[in-house]
Amino acid sequence: GDSVTQMEGPVTLSEEAFLTINCTYTATGYPSLFWYVQYPGEGLQLLLKATKADDKGSNKGFEATYRKETTSFHLEKGSVQVSDSAVYFCALSEGTGNQFYFGTGTSLTVIP
Amino acid sequence: GAVVSQHPSRVICKSGTSVKIECRSLDFQATTMFWYRQFPKQSLMLMATSNEGSKATYEQGVEKDKFLINHASLTLSTLTVTSAHPEDSSFYICSAIGENGQYFGPGTRLTVT
Repeated sequence: GDSVTQMEGPVTLSEEAFLTINCTYTATGYPSLFWYVQYPGEGLQLLLKATKADDKGSNKGFEATYRKETTSFHLEKGSVQVSDSAVYFCALSEGTGNQFYFGTGTSLTVIP
Repeated sequence: GAVVSQHPSRVICKSGTSVKIECRSLDFQATTMFWYRQFPKQSLMLMATSNEGSKATYEQGVEKDKFLINHASLTLSTLTVTSAHPEDSSFYICSAIGENGQYFGPGTRLTVT
């Protein structure tokens, strides 16, 4: 079945450091891939997505490229800020009307 | 963009009572909604798929008589936790399928004392 494996945290970085959160997936078909962010006490917010191989999703300085050959969708940001402190979830869905499969989430703390 | 709301955002109830959580699609119609549960510091796990006008489909291990789901209209699905116990304390999140994708609600934190 479908699944998502995500880098375990927690991750602590200094402000302006480079961020990578690894995500790999297993899917039976051709899924869309997503990164969601959850700030403390809040729900999920879509950060970025990619719907097919080699697509790059980007938003707020974050990027992730859909790599079919390595079944990966790693999240990167060149220079993190304190406000980026949150939990990040990698997810996949096999179609618009289908359920999401989430990774376990990676907690990021950025210190000044 | 599409918005999904949940009510209440937080609820505290006593053990043995029932709690209803609403999930609404505010500016679109959703024939399908999903209910997820998130345990502390863990990922979201799908509980059930809610389809307007028909019975919900529950994931394995989820008690349908305990977690009652009613998708009464194209903009509203409700999750009722019956005879709640402390182990039901969790963060419940719904999502709704719109034209351009799936949209998540902000979640409801349930605490059972």
